[in-house]
Amino acid sequence: GQSLEQPSEVTAVEGAIVQINCTYQTSGFYGLSWYQQHDGGAPTFLSYNALDGLEETGRFSSFLSRSDSYGYLLLQELQMKDSASYFCAGSLGNTDKLIFGTGTRLQVFP
Amino acid sequence: NAGVTQTPKFQVLKTGQSMTLQCAQDMNHEYMSWYRQDPGMGLRLIHYSVGAGITDQGEVPNGYNVSRSTTEDFPLRLLSAAPSQTSVYFCASSPGLAGSYEQYFGPGTRLTVT
Repeated sequence: GQSLEQPSEVTAVEGAIVQINCTYQTSGFYGLSWYQQHDGGAPTFLSYNALDGLEETGRFSSFLSRSDSYGYLLLQELQMKDSASYFCAGSLGNTDKLIFGTGTRLQVFP
Repeated sequence: NAGVTQTPKFQVLKTGQSMTLQCAQDMNHEYMSWYRQDPGMGLRLIHYSVGAGITDQGEVPNGYNVSRSTTEDFPLRLLSAAPSQTSVYFCASSPGLAGSYEQYFGPGTRLTVT
């Protein structure tokens, strides 16, 4: 089957760095995306890795290793507004069809 | 641009009733999809479409129908509502071009089946 596993919850303090991991068991995942979702809101796109390695977008970076079936999202200089749920999502084949991970709830404390 | 719009925002149904959740996008995106999200869980793909006239099943298609007669609209039909379909439903769209994988989500429809 196709599944993406994430830790259920991560906590950190403002200004810190946090890493959210995503491991997957599937064949045919073409790339890995990350989405942020605040309580009661819709998911919003953060980043996408089509190739192995690190992609950096401002305070957020995302990493993919296909050989290890593993990726992570790195959030730096944490702010209170970063408290949200974060989802990794695998792209099936070279398409826009996404399978979402289980989600990680990040709580940032002052 | 309004982006992706969904109606209604909230809906309560009785078991056995049918209804259609509406989704529209004004970005001329080829790819559209429907997800459901149960409390504290991730999103599960119900159905998707790669263009007008083309639809396919996702992970959890049972109990739902879709059609795509235009690029803009992608309605989701619940055939006979069941309490297990109580969930938040999100519609999403993306250009569908190779290398553009950002999906744009609508605000969601919160459905309760009693």
